[in-house]
Amino acid sequence: DAGITQSPRHKVTETGTPVTLRCHQTENHRYMYWYRQDPGHGLRLIHYSYGVKDTDKGEVSDGYSVSRSKTEDFLLTLESATSSQTSVYFCAISGRTGGESYNEQFFGPGTRLTVL
Amino acid sequence: GQQLNQSPQSMFIQEGEDVSMNCTSSSIFNTWLWYKQDPGEGPVLLIALYKAGELTSNGRLTAQFGITRKDSFLNISASIPSDVGIYFCAGDTGNQFYFGTGTSLTVIP
Repeated sequence: DAGITQSPRHKVTETGTPVTLRCHQTENHRYMYWYRQDPGHGLRLIHYSYGVKDTDKGEVSDGYSVSRSKTEDFLLTLESATSSQTSVYFCAISGRTGGESYNEQFFGPGTRLTVL
Repeated sequence: GQQLNQSPQSMFIQEGEDVSMNCTSSSIFNTWLWYKQDPGEGPVLLIALYKAGELTSNGRLTAQFGITRKDSFLNISASIPSDVGIYFCAGDTGNQFYFGTGTSLTVIP
């Protein structure tokens, strides 16, 4: 495995509350991504980072913000959670410098978020 | 967003049979990746392809990068019960990854 952890693994929260999900990698990959996975939609990109403090929006970024203050950590924040944000969230990494797997993307174990 | 067309959506096969699935796109990709996802877990990378025409194997799995760079296929030979899961493709344009919607594989013992 590529050394990716996500926390928490499960969370139940109420509508309107802020939520922060954490992704941590130990492989020194340059790029980090947040996806959500929903039935019928597959994996959809929320935000991604191409370096410390460098982030950009993905396909479904509304209602989400991210931060990357260190190479190894990428945080996803739901400022005010809504029921439509109930989903499974996956962190992914790519861009391992000096290796053959630069263009390969590896996924974390996921966080199941339920917004009541 | 861009979508990859993956087929079939689901397959029910007998143990020991071979399996074939494919992905097509309207765009050219630099890299094709194939993943397997088990329930409650993250996708696991099976095979990565980097060059048009490339054919790569990983045990009983074989995948090919299409000559046009717009398609890829994955074959599983002599299926076993633990092959059950959802398989999906991904393509990399150099700027972003795009994913297929998955093929659900059921292996009947």
